[in-house]
Amino acid sequence: GQQVMQIPQYQHVQEGEDFTTYCNSSTTLSNIQWYKQRPGGHPVFLIQLVKSGEVKKQKRLTFQFGEAKKNSSLHITATQTTDVGTYFCAGDSGGSNYKLTFGKGTLLTVNP
Amino acid sequence: GAVVSQHPSRVICKSGTSVKIECRSLDFQATTMFWYRQFPKQSLMLMATSNEGSKATYEQGVEKDKFLINHASLTLSTLTVTSAHPEDSSFYICSASDYRLNYGYTFGSGTRLTVV
Repeated sequence: GQQVMQIPQYQHVQEGEDFTTYCNSSTTLSNIQWYKQRPGGHPVFLIQLVKSGEVKKQKRLTFQFGEAKKNSSLHITATQTTDVGTYFCAGDSGGSNYKLTFGKGTLLTVNP
Repeated sequence: GAVVSQHPSRVICKSGTSVKIECRSLDFQATTMFWYRQFPKQSLMLMATSNEGSKATYEQGVEKDKFLINHASLTLSTLTVTSAHPEDSSFYICSASDYRLNYGYTFGSGTRLTVV
């Protein structure tokens, strides 16, 4: 079945440093979504990428979708303590069941 | 935006009893809802896809007789953990999508189940 691999598993940075998490799917995706889960909370939708090579920005967050629609990345510029949490990518392979396959997530901690 | 309400947020039950968790889409209709299980510091594991008016589709390795799913209306899906055991203790989360919007999937706030 479809697999979504995400690295790194953990990342600890000093406040102000940049952060990047990477996602790779074993199959071509219809779209990829990114979620953030704060400690003790539930996943919150950040963004959806649909087009090959797509790049989207949300303030300090930059999301990319690879040309082959099999990989993606999330980059945070100048991290802040509010960025702490686990970032998950989730791949949608298309089809009528709308099923997402989640990566294992990257836990980001930020040292003030 | 889409709102998904999940209840209860926490529940403690005795071994052998059953627990029902509700997931409601508050401002949209969801023909499909998803139930996940999440262990501490791990990813979300899809348990089953809940389909309104029909049987749920379970992922491989998930016991359908133990995790009963009912999706009786377009706004409500329930997950019942039957004859719960301590190993069923986990964080259970539902999600749904309002396909009229490009908001991805909205997750409920989750249910922390502890079986003692």
